[in-house]
Amino acid sequence: GESVGLHLPTLSVQEGDNSIINCAYSNSASDYFIWYKQESGKGPQFIIDIRSNMDKRQGQRVTVLLNKTVKHLSLQIAATQPGDSAVYFCAENLGGTSYGKLTFGQGTILTVHP
Amino acid sequence: DAEITQSPRHKITETGRQVTLACHQTWNHNNMFWYRQDLGHGLRLIHYSYGVHDTNKGEVSDGYSVSRSNTEDLPLTLESAASSQTSVYFCASSEYTGGKNIQYFGAGTRLSVL
Repeated sequence: GESVGLHLPTLSVQEGDNSIINCAYSNSASDYFIWYKQESGKGPQFIIDIRSNMDKRQGQRVTVLLNKTVKHLSLQIAATQPGDSAVYFCAENLGGTSYGKLTFGQGTILTVHP
Repeated sequence: DAEITQSPRHKITETGRQVTLACHQTWNHNNMFWYRQDLGHGLRLIHYSYGVHDTNKGEVSDGYSVSRSNTEDLPLTLESAASSQTSVYFCASSEYTGGKNIQYFGAGTRLSVL
């Protein structure tokens, strides 16, 4: 029979464009969120984080937005470069007795074309 | 610089054999984690530890064990390797301070069980 694979969301952009990667998180009690970047053959690398008492945080070329009302997180990358091509994961920390543990999203594949 | 290292990077083994994957961190972090990464499932937590002699089961712990005899190391053992355990394994460490919980990842071990 035919096998069906699970496909990650993909985003394809041109070099220099701005990219927006979205993530829906699962638990309204989550108090801390992180975005990770994973390049092929490497481990996830920390990009930026945000606590639940904030709705926006900026880093170098990256901005994270948090909308707790709809449990949505986004990562904006300004002036996207070919080196930004990777899989991007959001992660949430439930806090409380689950402190230290992160729950990861499925990931989004970002491809930047020169 | 502090780091987290995994060994071996690649491993091929046979069904039924015992396999141990090493993880060593020099961050002096109390928290350490083992994940497996499979297409369509993202990062799934196998086991974690909050300190020496502390170990806890994650969401996919069956067939795996860990022990924590010092701060730096959290080896992951597959008691009797199965083909379903073919995967990429990542180790991470963190320290929960000031409401932040950034996990730092190793480069991963690609395990094939034949």
